[in-house]
Amino acid sequence: DTGVSQDPRHKITKRGQNVTFRCDPISEHNRLYWYRQTLGQGPEFLTYFQNEAQLEKSRLLSDRFSAERPKGSFSTLEIQRTEQGDSAMYLCASRTLQGVNTEAFFGQGTRLTVV
Amino acid sequence: ILNVEQSPQSLHVQEGDSTNFTCSFPSSNFYALHWYRWETAKSPEALFVMTLNGDEKKKGRISATLNTKEGYSYLYIKGSQPEDSATYLCAPLIYNQGGKLIFGQGTELSVKP
Repeated sequence: DTGVSQDPRHKITKRGQNVTFRCDPISEHNRLYWYRQTLGQGPEFLTYFQNEAQLEKSRLLSDRFSAERPKGSFSTLEIQRTEQGDSAMYLCASRTLQGVNTEAFFGQGTRLTVV
Repeated sequence: ILNVEQSPQSLHVQEGDSTNFTCSFPSSNFYALHWYRWETAKSPEALFVMTLNGDEKKKGRISATLNTKEGYSYLYIKGSQPEDSATYLCAPLIYNQGGKLIFGQGTELSVKP
């Protein structure tokens, strides 16, 4: 399978713990996006990368969230000191910049539950 | 913050009905609009990427039109089937937004047999 993969698919954690999610994009895709989705809402933009460079982090995002994309390949999203409000689906998507008409490909997401 | 609005938020139709919903976005500095379908327990999948004013795209029973001057796009489904049940998301690409895909809240479609 050469699509976008995310790991883990589900994560249950206690409030206050740190969690890290991984995204493996399609290999030739230089853009990588992270989103958060809660019930009844569309995907909320968190951050995105072009190769290894983080281009922007949402101003709405707490400092407890950090993301990396070392070597421009896989990416990790870490949430420190989790809170119940962090419970959501975390989606990763990747896209090539070869042409303006390129679509994004999504992983199946990581469902986080903070108890 | 880019304002992307989709309406209605949810829609319930009977099998065989035709339906349509709207995506509204800022018209200035626009260069592309993406439509995605997100079925439960699956990943969002691209339906269309549209760039030209007046463009119309079609995939089976689903089609979309684009008005870049007034900043909206319509998605049409002809003869809805239960397998069309999903959330439909749009995301415009705007030049001064650095290539971010900012999604609307989606339209949740439920098609009853």
